[in-house]
Amino acid sequence: DARVTQTPRHKVTEMGQEVTMRCQPILGHNTVFWYRQTMMQGLELLAYFRNRAPLDDSGMPKDRFSAEMPDATLATLKIQPSEPRDSAVYFCASGFLNSGSYTDTQYFGPGTRLTVL
Amino acid sequence: QQQVKQSPQSLIVQKGGISIINCAYENTAFDYFPWYQQFPGKGPALLIAIRPDVSEKKEGRFTISFNKSAKQFSLHIMDSQPGDSATYFCAAGRGGNNRKLIWGLGTSLAVNP
Repeated sequence: DARVTQTPRHKVTEMGQEVTMRCQPILGHNTVFWYRQTMMQGLELLAYFRNRAPLDDSGMPKDRFSAEMPDATLATLKIQPSEPRDSAVYFCASGFLNSGSYTDTQYFGPGTRLTVL
Repeated sequence: QQQVKQSPQSLIVQKGGISIINCAYENTAFDYFPWYQQFPGKGPALLIAIRPDVSEKKEGRFTISFNKSAKQFSLHIMDSQPGDSATYFCAAGRGGNNRKLIWGLGTSLAVNP
């Protein structure tokens, strides 16, 4: 049963600390998304990779957030320094897209619940 | 032009009733309209999706109705069950190289037994 995995599932940290969240996309998927979910803003797209290259990171605060895909099996989202307003659930999703495909399904991981004190 | 507006924010339905959630979009370039279902503590999961070449798609108790001229689409859950209690998100996307989705804010559905 292929699924997206995320670590850690929960993270409590203090303001100013660095936070790194990791995601393992489903094997064979070529697209990875990072989302942030809050009650007020819903699901916000932070970054979007295709074949490990960043396609869109316009939703990500560039001064403190960074997203990378060191290889096809690992995506990372880093916050440095973290602030209380970053408290949210962060989801990674993966999918397989090509120009001729109508399969746009995004498969979400279980999320990382981040609390910044 | 990039927004997707979803209503209502929350919905309470009796078991066996019909749940209806509505979404409206502005960008006529959108060509893919999925609905995702999210249970507490889980990530969203695709429930059903439609393309603008059809006006309705049905999968079991779930139906999407699509009105291209009004730029609206809705999710109907027939014979709603307590197990359907979840948050539902509509989204819209378009073809091309950048296939990101624009999401609605979600509807929290509670189905009373």
